[in-house]
Amino acid sequence: KAGVTQTPRYLIKTRGQQVTLSCSPISGHRSVSWYQQTPGQGLQFLFEYFSETQRNKGNFPGRFSGRQFSNSRSEMNVSTLELGDSALYLCASSFNEGGPYEQYFGPGTRLTVT
Amino acid sequence: AQRVTQPEKLLSVFKGAPVELKCNYSYSGSPELFWYVQYSRQRLQLLLRHISRESIKGFTADLNKGETSFHLKKPFAQEEDSAMYYCASFSPTGANSKLTFGKGITLSVRP
Repeated sequence: KAGVTQTPRYLIKTRGQQVTLSCSPISGHRSVSWYQQTPGQGLQFLFEYFSETQRNKGNFPGRFSGRQFSNSRSEMNVSTLELGDSALYLCASSFNEGGPYEQYFGPGTRLTVT
Repeated sequence: AQRVTQPEKLLSVFKGAPVELKCNYSYSGSPELFWYVQYSRQRLQLLLRHISRESIKGFTADLNKGETSFHLKKPFAQEEDSAMYYCASFSPTGANSKLTFGKGITLSVRP
C-alpha cells in the first residue's frame, strides 16, 4: 500500500496570508489526524477527522481549521498566518476512529512564515 | 488533561551501553501508551505499544502504574538506534480522546 502523502512538502508564506495543506491517507484508512511539530513544543495535536466529521480538536485558535472529504483525503487551513505558525505539519492516518490504533504518519509539510 | 513528560532532551551513549529513555504520564484512568521513533530523514513511526508487551528492535517498555511511568529500555544500544523518540499516551474515554505526545528525546549512540 502507498503510504500517507502530504502536499506540498514545503511552503513559504508571509504573515497575514492563508495556507491550505493536503493529506491523502493510506487506502482504506478513514481516520486522519493532524499535528504541529516544532522544536520548542514537540508534537501537538490539532484535530482528527473520521468519515468527514471532526471528532477531536486540540488547543489551537480558530485560525486553524480542517475538513475531510468522502474519499478520506483531508485538508487543513491556516488563516491570517503568524510567524509562530512556522512548523512541520504532520498528518497521520489510521484504520479505526478515535485511535489509538497504529497511526501512520506522512512526511510532513514544512511551513515557513516570513 | 493528559500530560506526557520526557524529562531529558538528549541522551548520548556509547555502542553497547544500556539505554533508558524516561517517560511519565499524568492520567488517572487507564491510558494506552506508545513509543514512536523518528530516524533521520524518515517518517515518524510506531515503535511499540504497552498493550502488545512485545520487544521491537531489542527495545522494551513496561508500564508502571504506581509511578505513572513508561520508560523505554534497551540493554545494548546500537548506532542505528540513534533517532528521536517520542512517548505518547491515549485516553480512550470521552470526546476529547486524543494522542498526546511528549516533547521527545534525541538518542545518540556513538561508535
